Amino acid sequence: NAGVMQNPRHLVRRRGQEARLRCSPMKGHSHVYWYRQLPEEGLKFMVYLQKENIIDESGMPKERFSAEFPKEGPSILRIQQVVRGDSAAYFCASSPPNLRDTEAFFGQGTRLTVV
Amino acid sequence: QQQVKQSPQSLIVQKGGISIINCAYENTAFDYFPWYQQFPGKGPALLIAIRPDVSEKKEGRFTISFNKSAKQFSLHIMDSQPGDSATYFCAATSGSRLTFGEGTQLTVNP
Repeated sequence: NAGVMQNPRHLVRRRGQEARLRCSPMKGHSHVYWYRQLPEEGLKFMVYLQKENIIDESGMPKERFSAEFPKEGPSILRIQQVVRGDSAAYFCASSPPNLRDTEAFFGQGTRLTVV
Repeated sequence: QQQVKQSPQSLIVQKGGISIINCAYENTAFDYFPWYQQFPGKGPALLIAIRPDVSEKKEGRFTISFNKSAKQFSLHIMDSQPGDSATYFCAATSGSRLTFGEGTQLTVNP
């Protein structure tokens, strides 16, 4: 059973370009979470999705950021017109529907560098 | 209030010593309290977790102590080893959302 797969592991974008981060959840997991980790900081919640549904996007910046989890394929976190402040590690986690008494499994992360 | 406060920010312990990391929360709706361990360049991995109806949980050298009335919980690492050097995050869940503390960077000196 493969774990949570994120790609790419490292992504370099110039200011103004678009960044697309992909996350394939563990088999059997229907829930995906995206977190952002700035250098030397903790994990900040961004968005929580089910298949074809955004459940909670309260942590997403209002502009330039969007996320989707289509019926088929991986979850995508999209950052348009990237700026230097977007440089961070972006982690995806997946879980069964209820986190109580279970765990969210994290991927290895995508390290985005904006130059 | 979704915040989870964690301390200390960094901790240095000698090999064989006890590492203690503390967390506090406000939201009484939290119903599951996991601790995650993160090594550099890796994603967080679940270390140990506790439910609020239990005051203590021990797994090997790792123990969670939970004080429901004070809304505090802590991680104790007994006989700390250099291989335990990592960043530790406490977290709390309500439904399907994980809220993390700010993290503690633990260094265990040989």
